[in-house]
Amino acid sequence: KNEVEQSPQNLTAQEGEFITINCSYSVGISALHWLQQHPGGGIVSLFMLSSGKKKHGRLIATINIQEKHSSLHITASHPRDSAVYICAAHLPGAQKLVFGQGTRLTINP
Amino acid sequence: DTGVSQDPRHKITKRGQNVTFRCDPISEHNRLYWYRQTLGQGPEFLTYFQNEAQLEKSRLLSDRFSAERPKGSFSTLEIQRTEQGDSAMYLCASSLVGLSYNEQFFGPGTRLTVL
Repeated sequence: KNEVEQSPQNLTAQEGEFITINCSYSVGISALHWLQQHPGGGIVSLFMLSSGKKKHGRLIATINIQEKHSSLHITASHPRDSAVYICAAHLPGAQKLVFGQGTRLTINP
Repeated sequence: DTGVSQDPRHKITKRGQNVTFRCDPISEHNRLYWYRQTLGQGPEFLTYFQNEAQLEKSRLLSDRFSAERPKGSFSTLEIQRTEQGDSAMYLCASSLVGLSYNEQFFGPGTRLTVL
């Protein structure tokens, strides 16, 4: 079992729908990252959080440390949101990130 | 552009050949990471440097793989005697000690195809 698990692996929705991507982890963490990867490979950091909730535009990330669970929400989804979304855990005392397998999101017009 | 850069962006090679990739981190960043991502999977950690010192290597980094960061700036990742299983996206990231939770900034990746 991976230390970081995401669900769903694939998600297809219509433009305008509210999107939720989930991330569960089995180890203690110091922070959790949400990353976006477009075709071609480049990775962009969306959020880094260790508690509570963060919002940036139409994106919202939440984390529940006790339940070891984080969610990424996209409101009013748009085709340009189509990408792979990856959560990554920063383990205490370690420098590397441990990644989930990614969620491929497709938003149809 | 002052972000992380990687070169080449794409590399196609024949099995058994050696390949070398380069990563230029954000200029003031003292940590540099290499990750590998196979199709449909999340990235996996390979190794990281603090300045010129290689501080951690994954068991994924077989003896055919070597990474260097000779002057604490750019880094190279060499794969000798490539195998088809080496086909992947190789990602580089950099960070600065002291930034909260060691936020890492990623390059565009080098996609390797071994025929």
